[in-house]
Amino acid sequence: QVQLQESGPGLVKPSQTLSLTCTVSGGSLSSGSHYWSWIRRPAGKGLEWIGRIYRSGETIYNPSLKSRVTISGDTSKNQFSLKLSFVTAADTADYYCARDAMIRGVTPVYYVDAWGKGTTVTVSS
Amino acid sequence: QSALTQEASVSGTVGQKVTLSCTGNSDNVGSYDVGWYQQISHGAPKTVIFGNSLPSGIPDRFSGSKSGTTASLTISGLQPEDEADYYCSAWDYSLNVVVFGGGTKLSVL
Repeated sequence: QVQLQESGPGLVKPSQTLSLTCTVSGGSLSSGSHYWSWIRRPAGKGLEWIGRIYRSGETIYNPSLKSRVTISGDTSKNQFSLKLSFVTAADTADYYCARDAMIRGVTPVYYVDAWGKGTTVTVSS
Repeated sequence: QSALTQEASVSGTVGQKVTLSCTGNSDNVGSYDVGWYQQISHGAPKTVIFGNSLPSGIPDRFSGSKSGTTASLTISGLQPEDEADYYCSAWDYSLNVVVFGGGTKLSVL
């Protein structure tokens, strides 16, 4: 059974870059069957999709964050990472890494099939 | 403002059947089935439904359905441990992104 674990600093200063890493076990970043995503839940708000990476390195980002986000992968370590630049207090959130799946058919479904436990990142000086 | 619209709050009593809705448009819910996620307090989300399928370990009192651009999550025989925030999500092929609903706070009275 796949497991995902986020790691990284819990406190980041405003205007700096937030960096998180997700370590995957029980599954492979090289899998052609899944995508690897970052999702966050800002304080007092709902879930927000940040972006995803596919085994080939292809990435897609939420347009609202696209100018500040980079997601990269390291298949040798079975890890993928998130970098969010020029952070502000609005980026304070619980951050989750996740594995996504797409089931194709008459009506396809795209969904998260595995979640990390999450890590809290606070942006404050 | 979320791309998918969910009720802010829903409540029910133990044993009752409740239905949560998730409304989108033809680019997302109208074209793709949705995933439903349960989040208790500030714990990690848990996937409870994808399309009309149950992940392993999820009680069969949870079920999913869809009509047009509105998806629904039904909990039959509500239990105290079902009290949580519930989110829906879908792929949006026009925006080429995953979109989430704003979440529904389910209270078990």
